[in-house]
Amino acid sequence: GEDVEQSLFLSVREGDSSVINCTYTDSSSTYLYWYKQEPGAGLQLLTYIFSNMDMKQDQRLTVLLNKKDKHLSLRIADTQTGDSAIYFCAEHLYTGNQFYFGTGTSLTVIP
Amino acid sequence: GAGVSQTPSNKVTEKGKYVELRCDPISGHTALYWYRQSLGQGPEFLIYFQGTGAADDSGLPNDRFFAVRPEGSVSTLKIQRTERGDSAVYLCASSPGVTGELFFGEGSRLTVL
Repeated sequence: GEDVEQSLFLSVREGDSSVINCTYTDSSSTYLYWYKQEPGAGLQLLTYIFSNMDMKQDQRLTVLLNKKDKHLSLRIADTQTGDSAIYFCAEHLYTGNQFYFGTGTSLTVIP
Repeated sequence: GAGVSQTPSNKVTEKGKYVELRCDPISGHTALYWYRQSLGQGPEFLIYFQGTGAADDSGLPNDRFFAVRPEGSVSTLKIQRTERGDSAVYLCASSPGVTGELFFGEGSRLTVL
């Protein structure tokens, strides 16, 4: 599969912003996604961005895409304790209709 | 149903046994994926169905793993002669089409003793 890299851990204080980063290798990605996984649960889609966009904002979430550097980030404003979870980025390749996931970033929000 | 349903949610078996894991996708979703997630890892692709046929089975680790989707809806992942290294959460996801996002089930946790 393709290499999708994420840092493993992030810890922030409640009310601060969180930024989770992701790098990918395949420049033919069509969509890039952020999924959230809470303990014992499946993956839940948070947001996604089409590969020809630079930014997408959705309430507290801001996705930034730097296609030249193959870098994707997710910013969570006013982070809450309920945001504590593992966040996965994923890229979709139109050829083969494949989705490749990163290793996940575990976000801990300190009250 | 409203979401992707996977059964069983937990399965404990002994080394060498045969296991079947079932996935019932969202109605009307033509694409169905199986992933395996080990502790502390991201989902690892196993196999992808478009309709009844396996469009890509390159992620199946060896010939002990097999999956079917005979009527283009429910899928079954079959593992023969289970090994301790097969212990993981097996995730199923469905998608409405070629460009749609994945909708995941809650997974089937397999433990091989």
